Amino acid sequence: AQSVTQLGSHVSVSEGALVLLRCNYSSSVPPYLFWYVQYPNQGLQLLLKYTSAATLVKGINGFEAEFKKSETSFHLTKPSAHMSDAAEYFCAVSEVASNTGKLIFGQGTTLQVKP
Amino acid sequence: GAGVSQSPSNKVTEKGKDVELRCDPISGHTALYWYRQSLGQGLEFLIYFQGNSAPDKSGLPSDRFSAERTGGSVSTLTIQRTQQEDSAVYLCASSFNRAGYTFGSGTRLTVV
Repeated sequence: AQSVTQLGSHVSVSEGALVLLRCNYSSSVPPYLFWYVQYPNQGLQLLLKYTSAATLVKGINGFEAEFKKSETSFHLTKPSAHMSDAAEYFCAVSEVASNTGKLIFGQGTTLQVKP
Repeated sequence: GAGVSQSPSNKVTEKGKDVELRCDPISGHTALYWYRQSLGQGLEFLIYFQGNSAPDKSGLPSDRFSAERTGGSVSTLTIQRTQQEDSAVYLCASSFNRAGYTFGSGTRLTVV
């Protein structure tokens, strides 16, 4: 069965510092992988996705993630944090061979950005 | 429409009452998903529609929960005899293919 583990339910960085949010997945075959961001009282917004093309994926708002099959990881990074990046971030997996395409989410990581 | 629309945005109901939550997906998106987001459980898959049929209902937590989709478009999630543990944000998403999903803003359900 697929699963997603996000290490660290809360991450705090200073404005301008590197953002690193960790995600590891468990899947029998390389899946599709996603990062979503959720601002308070809003829905989920797609940051980026990996669908078996380039392993380094660039997304919106300066975020990127690298798919590492050997480590079963898909960590999210941003070189310089901005105050507006404060939100909750979800990693999700969808099995390519699945008939449904449903997403399995990690528990989420709340990013705090300190001035 | 331009995005996935959910209504109502907030719903407060008394324990034991039935509620209906609506999702209007992006036009042309054949796949529709319902998820539930709660503090203790994170984001949980509830049900998947392909067109009007629901080949995967495995996430529905009990027989008090049901959903339908008509015309390959609007979907309604119904919760009968609501309980306090049903309080959560219910999110709908639609997709044209499995590489992209668009989520609505959700319905926040509070059972008192």
